[in-house]
Parts: sequence; C-alpha cells; structure tokens
Amino acid sequence: GESVGLHLPTLSVQEGDNSIINCAYSNSASDYFIWYKQESGKGPQFIIDIRSNMDKRQGQRVTVLLNKTVKHLSLQIAATQPGDSAVYFCAETHQAGTALIFGKGTTLSVSS
Amino acid sequence: NAGVTQTPKFRILKIGQSMTLQCTQDMNHNYMYWYRQDPGMGLKLIYYSVGAGITDKGEVPNGYNVSRSTTEDFPLRLELAAPSQTSVYFCASSYSRGGPYNEQFFGPGTRLTVL
Repeated sequence: GESVGLHLPTLSVQEGDNSIINCAYSNSASDYFIWYKQESGKGPQFIIDIRSNMDKRQGQRVTVLLNKTVKHLSLQIAATQPGDSAVYFCAETHQAGTALIFGKGTTLSVSS
Repeated sequence: NAGVTQTPKFRILKIGQSMTLQCTQDMNHNYMYWYRQDPGMGLKLIYYSVGAGITDKGEVPNGYNVSRSTTEDFPLRLELAAPSQTSVYFCASSYSRGGPYNEQFFGPGTRLTVL
C-alpha cells in the first residue's frame, strides 16, 4: 500500500486566506519530502522540499513543516490566490530508494 | 530548454494494440521515470532508468517495457493494450536520486484510453 497519504481530499478557501494542506507518511526511513502542485491537464510541478534533518523550510508564500515524531508533513500557503487552485501532492523517498512515493492528493479550490 | 517533452498528448487504442509513448529531456539528467496516474489518485512508478542502458522496474511494471539507448530518450512500450492501462502517463527526469537534487521535472503527460 501507499506510505504517504493526505488527510483531506478537498480544501476550499477564500482568496487571501492562509491554506494548510496535510500529509501523513508511514515509512520512518523516509528522509526527503517534496510537495508538488498539479494544475488541470498538466504534469506535477515542484513547489518545495524538505529533508528529515529540518523541521521547517520556507519559500515564497509557502512553508513546509515536518514533524518526524508523528510522521506528519504540512504545506502552508500564505494569502492564497485563485492561481493556487490545483491538486497538491506530497511525496517521499529515502536514501536507499530510487523514486518518489506519492500520496493521493488534496484538491485546493480558491474562491474570489 | 524545453525540459521534458512527451508525445503524443492523447491516444485511443483498441484492446490488443501496441504503442510507444515517447519521452525526451534536454537537461542532461541521468535519471528518468515513467509514472501512471489514475483518476483521483497519486502517481505510481512504472519503470525508471539511472542512465543509458540501465532500466529497472517500479511499482506497477506489468504490461509495459522500456529502453534507454540515449541519455535524452526514455520510451515506454505497451505491447498488448488492456482497458486497465487507461490512464494518464507522465515521464519525469532528475539529476540524481537523492538529497537536494532529487527534484523531478515532469512532462505534460499522455492521456491514453484503451477501448
């Protein structure tokens, strides 16, 4: 089965709100995590990544938090915009792995 | 750079037909991957390659074959198409497999329907 999953299949927010998308993983050996954004009809696009020796990493309007104790990953999007509407996937791998393992995805809908 | 390109964008096959999905990258990446994405699901790895002449199976390889004769190209072959292979297929590439360079760049996908 999948080692990475997301808590909610859909999330609806208003423009300007902050969005939080959650992900749980089960493989304690995983040491590298990535968030991808997939817009309709397109391939996944890299957003931000984090290694297991970090708890937090910030990008432009996005922050990823990693809680290794409970094996939980979250993506925070500040001041969500309509252009953020997409499906968001978390993915994980470990040093001995060869490819990413993807969760099912959360569909973020942003209304104006 | 064009990044990762895939052809065709769409294809309808009849049961038992065969076809090759093309994938090319111009980033000189060593690693290339083929995923399939079923409706409402995440991506599942079919095959991957760590360099020219080297390929290996992923999570769902049955019914598919790959080859890697050059660094740039990684075609995926379906020999006897089945309805279960109806999916969107994504090709990806990366510089290496681990650490901060594991970012995978994805192509736009090929939507395949088998009837």
